[in-house]
Amino acid sequence: AQTVTQSQPEMSVQEAETVTLSCTYDTSESDYYLFWYKQPPSRQMILVIRQEAYKQQNATENRFSVNFQKAAKSFSLKISDSQLGDAAMYFCAYRRGGTSYGKLTFGQGTILTVHP
Amino acid sequence: ETGVTQSPTHLIKTRGQQVTLRCSSQSGHNTVSWYQQALGQGPQFIFQYYREEENGRGNFPPRFSGLQFPNYSSELNVNALELDDSALYLCASSSRAITDTQYFGPGTRLTVL
Repeated sequence: AQTVTQSQPEMSVQEAETVTLSCTYDTSESDYYLFWYKQPPSRQMILVIRQEAYKQQNATENRFSVNFQKAAKSFSLKISDSQLGDAAMYFCAYRRGGTSYGKLTFGQGTILTVHP
Repeated sequence: ETGVTQSPTHLIKTRGQQVTLRCSSQSGHNTVSWYQQALGQGPQFIFQYYREEENGRGNFPPRFSGLQFPNYSSELNVNALELDDSALYLCASSSRAITDTQYFGPGTRLTVL
């Protein structure tokens, strides 16, 4: 069974600074997808970024980028120029590829606090 | 483009009762997945529906059941509610024709007393 581990229960960053959230996963599959979702206090889970395992290039979405290390099974999220609106719970998630079965396996989450 | 919507927002039930939660998928999406999120935890997969058929199930008992309708909206039914069923229930929709990325609704907060 696939597992996703987020070892940082809480992280904090100063506004305009950079922070990196860690995620490791365990799978025997070669085809899969990884995601970072953000869940603010409003509860709605918002997609931040997506990475296909077959792609060497790290995904980037504006101030958000990932460091995908496939051999190490590591998938960290870097938030640059942090803003107050980035404060939320962040979840790393895994989905097996090559199948129509789209179950997401989530990590335990990291609470990010942004200080003004 | 309309996003994923869920109703109701909050719900309070007593142990032993039954509850139905509803989800409308995003326009163009044909797959709906349901997740249970306990307080302070990551979501846990309950099941997924594709074209009105259950297409995979997580480690949840049979008293958790669902439906998907021809318009791809979905219901989650929970019978014989237990205190541990108190959680945020999230619905996510996706489309196999596109990226299959799941987009979530705002959730229903269920409290069982």
